[in-house]
Formats: sequence, structure tokens, C-alpha cells
Amino acid sequence: GAVVSQHPSWVICKSGTSVKIECRSLDFQATTMFWYRQFPKQSLMLMATSNEGSKATYEQGVEKDKFLINHASLTLSTLTVTSAHPEDSSFYICSASWTGGVTDTQYFGPGTRLTVL
Amino acid sequence: AQTVTQSQPEMSVQEAETVTLSCTYDTSESDYYLFWYKQPPSRQMILVIRQEAYKQQNATENRFSVNFQKAAKSFSLKISDSQLGDAAMYFCAHRDTGTASKLTFGTGTRLQVTL
Repeated sequence: GAVVSQHPSWVICKSGTSVKIECRSLDFQATTMFWYRQFPKQSLMLMATSNEGSKATYEQGVEKDKFLINHASLTLSTLTVTSAHPEDSSFYICSASWTGGVTDTQYFGPGTRLTVL
Repeated sequence: AQTVTQSQPEMSVQEAETVTLSCTYDTSESDYYLFWYKQPPSRQMILVIRQEAYKQQNATENRFSVNFQKAAKSFSLKISDSQLGDAAMYFCAHRDTGTASKLTFGTGTRLQVTL
């Protein structure tokens, strides 16, 4: 149980284009979804937190107009990188959690590698 | 703000031996959760073990166990009978209670397992 998928797993795009990454909870309803960014050999940096049906909460320093997050349902959240540039190249990871059981644990997707040329 | 510190950037252990990864954290809350996540070369984050702060008993999952010292704000991970498949980055993480609470990660410890 508690499986989270991401699509695509790897995407290459041209500078100036937009890219959408999907995050799905496959066997549970995700009350909250999180988006992280990870640079090589570094830890995960939280970008934003999203709750179904409401606006995402962005971390300080993350441009909300550049990284659009939509949490349209309890099983799907999307991250759109708008007007991507080479500096946006990174590994993006989503996670999902729900209120249930004894602890609220985040379950992670497999990540999406974005390369902007 | 919560902080999580992993002071060992790299560790090495021989197969079948035991290794302990260190983690300290800082929080003003009395109730919270602590986690160890494993990130193998595939980069999939895998939950290894979790601990609720209100529980005094240390969590155990097969070969993985923790030493949770609440007063010292220490949360170390012990891996017994190390296997080649244990080689990965290990991240310690803290989270306040509540579904929307954020995970705060440490900088990670890269574990090598040698024959």
C-alpha cells in the first residue's frame, strides 16, 4: 500500500517551454501533497505544500508564478515549470500523506528528472 | 524552526557488520515524528523507520533499529547484519504532528557496504 507515482520519470525540454509533472497517489486519498527539489548529492528542498482544492503554500524563495502547483483531486497533484531555463534542471520529487493510522507519514514518488536545454 | 543535523557525510561498513548513523535535531515542540529515509541510486525515497516522540520505546524494523534520546534530541539509526543492498544515502527527518506538517531533512549520510 501507499504507492505514489510520478510521470514522466525523465523529461528534456527546450529553454522557454513549460513542463508539467504529475504526481498520483495510487491506493490512498492524499490529503496533502508536497513537492521537493533535489540537486545532485544534496538533500531534498521543500518547494511547496498543497492541499486538495486549495492554493498551494510555497516556501520562501520559491517563485509561485514559475512553479505552478495544482492539487485538483485527492489523488492527483501537478507541478508545472513555466518558461523553463537551464537553471531549473533538477530532480523533482513529490510526496503524499493522509490523515490516518497512528502517524502521518509522507510517501514519496520515484521522482522526475528535468533537463532544460 | 526545526533543524536536523547529520554529522557523518559518509560511512562505510563491511557486509554482515553493524553500523550506526547519527542524527540530532532541534525543535521546541514536545510531540513530533522522526524518520529515517533511504535513497538508493534509483533515487526513490524509501521509508526505513519512524518514531513517535511520545513513545519511549525505540522503533525496530527487522535489521533496522533506532536509539531515540528525546532529552538529548538524538535519533541514531543502527543497521545490523549489513547487506550490499543497504548501500544508499540515508536521510534523517523531523516532522511536527499534523498531516500538512513539513518534513525537515538532514543533509544525508552516504553508506557504503564493502565485501
